Amino acid sequence: GAVVSQHPSWVICKSGTSVKIECRSLDFQATTMFWYRQFPKQSLMLMATSNEGSKATYEQGVEKDKFLINHASLTLSTLTVTSAHPEDSSFYICSARGIRDLSYEQYFGPGTRLTVT
Amino acid sequence: RKEVEQDPGPFNVPEGATVAFNCTYSNSASQSFFWYRQDCRKEPKLLMSVYSSGNEDGRFTAQLNRASQYISLLIRDSKLSDSATYLCVVRYNTDKLIFGTGTRLQVFP
Repeated sequence: GAVVSQHPSWVICKSGTSVKIECRSLDFQATTMFWYRQFPKQSLMLMATSNEGSKATYEQGVEKDKFLINHASLTLSTLTVTSAHPEDSSFYICSARGIRDLSYEQYFGPGTRLTVT
Repeated sequence: RKEVEQDPGPFNVPEGATVAFNCTYSNSASQSFFWYRQDCRKEPKLLMSVYSSGNEDGRFTAQLNRASQYISLLIRDSKLSDSATYLCVVRYNTDKLIFGTGTRLQVFP
């Protein structure tokens, strides 16, 4: 099946710093990638949808200037959490949809656990 | 009201038991329906899609009632390895997935 990787798998950073998370589709080209966030005991919440070569579409309540998304190629999207605060500590998961995937199935990465101290 | 609602559980059942999870969704324009499984601190994995006619995959049976906006998952002959959180997911338009908070299942020996 399709494989999506994320890097890093976990990160601890100090408040005020920025953290970049990478999402890669390893064996397929992804026209669309999605970024989700999951707080403990809560559901995955879609943060933004990114299409290769265009600006990301953010969900209501998600600050685009704080969560910078870049989808520069068909296999890579990055999420940068700028000026991180402890309340940004969460499990960030990306997913990707293939360029020829008519089923619209999303393939999920293994997630990145962010802890801001 | 949440878009996708599930009983959070936990459901504690012995091996071999049959257990059923329910889910309701609020948006009647929802087009596709899924059950995902999520293990602790891991990404969700697609368990099965849910079709109007109902569908079965081994020990798992999913049902959809569009009129009541209700989805169910039945697990027969529970195994220890079935212990996980089961996420009810709906999709409307082509991309956006809406996740429920999940129902936690714990199967004990």
